[in-house]
Amino acid sequence: AQSVSQHNHHVILSEAASLELGCNYSYGGTVNLFWYVQYPGQHLQLLLKYFSGDPLVKGIKGFEAEFIKSKFSFNLRKPSVQWSDTAEYFCAVNSAGTASKLTFGTGTRLQVTL
Amino acid sequence: DGGITQSPKYLFRKEGQNVTLSCEQNLNHDAMYWYRQDPGQGLRLIYYSQIVNDFQKGDIAEGYSVSREKKESFPLTVTSAQKNPTAFYLCASSSRQALAKNIQYFGAGTRLSVL
Repeated sequence: AQSVSQHNHHVILSEAASLELGCNYSYGGTVNLFWYVQYPGQHLQLLLKYFSGDPLVKGIKGFEAEFIKSKFSFNLRKPSVQWSDTAEYFCAVNSAGTASKLTFGTGTRLQVTL
Repeated sequence: DGGITQSPKYLFRKEGQNVTLSCEQNLNHDAMYWYRQDPGQGLRLIYYSQIVNDFQKGDIAEGYSVSREKKESFPLTVTSAQKNPTAFYLCASSSRQALAKNIQYFGAGTRLSVL
């Protein structure tokens, strides 16, 4: 069975600090990888995704993530966070070519202070 | 305005009572999903449906039931058999074209509490 680990449960950063949120998954086959974000009071929305090709993917609002196959990792990064990035971030994975079984991590709550 | 509508936003259940959460989408998506979100546990899949009149159990289906009589609707019933129903419930959908890539779009959620 697939599983996703997000080791940082709660991260507090000052504005302009750099961000890296860890995500590791367990699955031996080809995967699709996602980061979703849930801003306070808003819908869960897709931040970025990796299906194939360049392992460094760029998403909305200056976020990027790097897929490192040998480490089963898909860490999320942003060089300089803003107060508006305060949200909960979820990593998710599914097996490439299969439908529906999207497995989420437990989430990381990011708090950005002014 | 296209999207996924979940209602009600807040719901209260008495002990021994069944309650039904509504999820409607006008995105013409074939697949729909129900997740449960608990603090510190992320999202866990309850049921999903890839086409009308068909659905499959997810990881935590016990105590829940669903139906998919129409493409745009996927109601979730939380039965009295669900011993810990207090949670935030999220509905999602994805299109057939994106199905293999599994890009899911989410509703605003329903927060269920037990009285």
